[in-house]
Amino acid sequence: GAVVSQHPSRVICKSGTSVKIECRSLDFQATTMFWYRQFPKKSLMLMATSNEGSKATYEQGVEKDKFLINHASLTLSTLTVTSAHPEDSSFYICSARDPGNGRDHEQYFGPGTRLTVT
Amino acid sequence: QQQVKQSPQSLIVQKGGISIINCAYENTAFDYFPWYQQFPGKGPALLIAIRPDVSEKKEGRFTISFNKSAKQFSLHIMDSQPGDSATYFCAATTGGGNKLTFGTGTQLKVEL
Repeated sequence: GAVVSQHPSRVICKSGTSVKIECRSLDFQATTMFWYRQFPKKSLMLMATSNEGSKATYEQGVEKDKFLINHASLTLSTLTVTSAHPEDSSFYICSARDPGNGRDHEQYFGPGTRLTVT
Repeated sequence: QQQVKQSPQSLIVQKGGISIINCAYENTAFDYFPWYQQFPGKGPALLIAIRPDVSEKKEGRFTISFNKSAKQFSLHIMDSQPGDSATYFCAATTGGGNKLTFGTGTQLKVEL
């Protein structure tokens, strides 16, 4: 149980275009999802916390107009990178909490999405 | 105060040996300390976790030791195998499933 999927796993887009990444909890309802960014050989950097039915909470320094997050249902959160530039190229990872199993501290991570902006 | 310091940055262990990774924290409000294993190109996977009311937790070859007074915790991998070669992250969080604060990661290589 507690499986989180991401789609796509890899995406290449041209500079100036937008790209959407989906994060789904497959076998549980996730009231809270998190979006991270990870550079090569670095730790995970939290970008934002996404709560179902409300606006996302962004970490300091993260541009909310550039990284649009929508948590429209209990099983789906999306991250849209708008007007992408090469410096947005990174590994984006989502995670989700499963508050229903009595282990609400645990976060389950998706497999990640490799974004390359050319 | 939100930082979690992790060491070493990289570690090479012989097959069958013990791998030890250490973490230290400042925020005494942290009450949940998970360890994650990440393979290249993949998302982190929860390995084992501990709460501060116990000093040790063991699951198979993986053991967390926790020292509340020193605000330190460590991961021990017994009988290390080449398949354990990965990056390991410690993390900490406060109650209610709030955001995780990650350590900087340790790249483990287990050699034959």
